[in-house]
This record gives sequence, structure tokens and C-alpha cells, in this order.
Amino acid sequence: DGGITQSPKYLFRKEGQNVTLSCEQNLNHDAMYWYRQDPGQGLRLIYYSQIVNDFQKGDIAEGYSVSREKKESFPLTVTSAQKNPTAFYLCASSIAGGPSYNEQFFGPGTRLTVL
Amino acid sequence: GENVEQHPSTLSVQEGDSAVIKCTYSDSASNYFPWYKQELGKGPQLIIDIRSNVGEKKDQRIAVTLNKTAKHFSLHITETQPEDSAVYFCAASREDMRFGAGTRLTVKP
Repeated sequence: DGGITQSPKYLFRKEGQNVTLSCEQNLNHDAMYWYRQDPGQGLRLIYYSQIVNDFQKGDIAEGYSVSREKKESFPLTVTSAQKNPTAFYLCASSIAGGPSYNEQFFGPGTRLTVL
Repeated sequence: GENVEQHPSTLSVQEGDSAVIKCTYSDSASNYFPWYKQELGKGPQLIIDIRSNVGEKKDQRIAVTLNKTAKHFSLHITETQPEDSAVYFCAASREDMRFGAGTRLTVKP
């Protein structure tokens, strides 16, 4: 089965701790993205990567970091510098290029709660 | 940058009725307009999309219309069913993809 997997589905962390969210895809897509979703709001872009070993900041990158060491994997670290980290995090991928003009396939999401 | 506004934020219809969700965008150079459906606790799934060189696209009970002059596009769902109940997002894309705030559609049996 081809698709995007995110783990874990639910994640609880204490304030001040860094936490890493996993995203893996076996669609052979070049581009991958991380979005944050808050209640009543649209998806906001955190980071995206068009190719291995390269990534760009989105609209709300502060307090987050990413890496893209493998084509299949794009983990997101929520650092202690992120002031309001509790949210639903969505990972997506597309065939090629930047975020524009290509259908994005989304994973099931990770709900992060910081206590 | 691009700004996408979506209306209404909530929509309730009777089963069998039609539902219409509207979005406006600000960047006249945007050229790709997808619509996503998100069920509770899941990631969004593409249901239909339209490119800027097309005015209308239909897929069974779902259709999207695009008015480039007015910079708005709409999602039309006919013969609604309870399983259509979900949150729907529009998006507009040129250099990057911007999403509307979402519409929660409830179809009452």
C-alpha cells in the first residue's frame, strides 16, 4: 500500500521538552511538507522540502526544525522555543517541485498536547 | 502573498439538498485550486481540483467553478448524503499553497 504515515497519532509532552514527529512516505515523492492545524483555522505551512538535504521555512517556522536526510522521511522537531505547541500536525507530500500546482497527499496527522 | 477567504464557516443541509461553499483569493497569478475533505481525526483528502485555464469541472455529485476575473471559486455538492458530513477546505496556489479556514458541513438524515 502506498501512502504517508505519521506516528504517533497522539503525543503528550511536558512543557520545555523537545519532541520529534515522524513522517514517512513510500510514494516516491520529491516534495514533503509540514502543516499545523488549529481549531477553526486553515492549514498553516511550517516547513517544506523539495529535495533531499534541502528545506525552506514556511509561514510559521519559528520554534520548529526539520531534516531531510532521506527521500522517504521528513521528521519535524517541536522545540521548547515554540510558545504554543499544542496542535494537530499534518505531513504531506507531492510528486515534485514546490507547494504549487501539484496535488498534495496528506498523512493521518499527529495530535500533540503539551501539558 | 496569497490570502484565501472561505464562507460559510458552518453549513447544515437536509439529506438530498445541495451544498455550496465559496472561496475568494487575492493573488491573480494563482493557477491551481484544490478542494479537500477532512473527516474527524484524519488528514485532508483531495476531492476535486481545477486549474486556472478551466472554468468548471465536475465529478459525479461534486463540481467546482472558477471565476478568474472575480477571483473566486466554489464547491457544489448535489444530492447530499450523511457521509458528506465533514470539514471542507479550499486552497489557492501559485508559489505556495494557501488554505481557507474551512467549512464544517453537516448533512441531516
